[in-house]
Amino acid sequence: QKEVEQDPGPLSVPEGAIVSLNCTYSNSAFQYFMWYRQYSRKGPELLMYTYSSGNKEDGRFTAQVDKSSKYISLFIRDSQPSDSATYLCAMRKAGNMLTFGGGTRLMVKP
Amino acid sequence: DSGVTQTPKHLITATGQRVTLRCSPRSGDLSVYWYQQSLDQGLQFLIQYYNGEERAKGNILERFSAQQFPDLHSELNLSSLELGDSALYFCASSVGTINNNEQFFGPGTRLTVL
Repeated sequence: QKEVEQDPGPLSVPEGAIVSLNCTYSNSAFQYFMWYRQYSRKGPELLMYTYSSGNKEDGRFTAQVDKSSKYISLFIRDSQPSDSATYLCAMRKAGNMLTFGGGTRLMVKP
Repeated sequence: DSGVTQTPKHLITATGQRVTLRCSPRSGDLSVYWYQQSLDQGLQFLIQYYNGEERAKGNILERFSAQQFPDLHSELNLSSLELGDSALYFCASSVGTINNNEQFFGPGTRLTVL
């Protein structure tokens, strides 16, 4: 069993929809949680990172962490075709090594 | 553009061969990380260097090695290549080495082993 699980999708939504992307993890030693966006044939780009349980908002993006359930989410409001990409969750214990989920492919249709 | 550069963009080689991938970190970043991304394994951490010294090792095969030079660029050497080594190889960089949440990824090198 992988330490970090993520539904691979693809997830297809109409423009303007609210998107919910999720990851679960099994190791309670994970302390820091990140979301990366990866466009086709590009490197991952950091969107947000958070430490504590609760919500963190940045523009149209909201990251949510529930440490008690070992569950993290990324919400995208008013989704745009330019949001079409693969979204990767990543987690870190003490130290710098990141453990990634497998990624969810998102398609936002105009 | 993250500021991290990687060369070459594409590499096609044969089984048993050796290749070198190169990475230049963002200006001011002292840490360099190497990752492998494949369809079946996803994005996996290989190794980290900080200011020339190895700092952390992940799922890196013994056939693979890396180093970071005094000018902070890094090279990942892959030898005795196998078909299963075909993947995207990413380099990332960050300012520090301890508890750094912001790693900036380069565009990657696509390796195809025939």
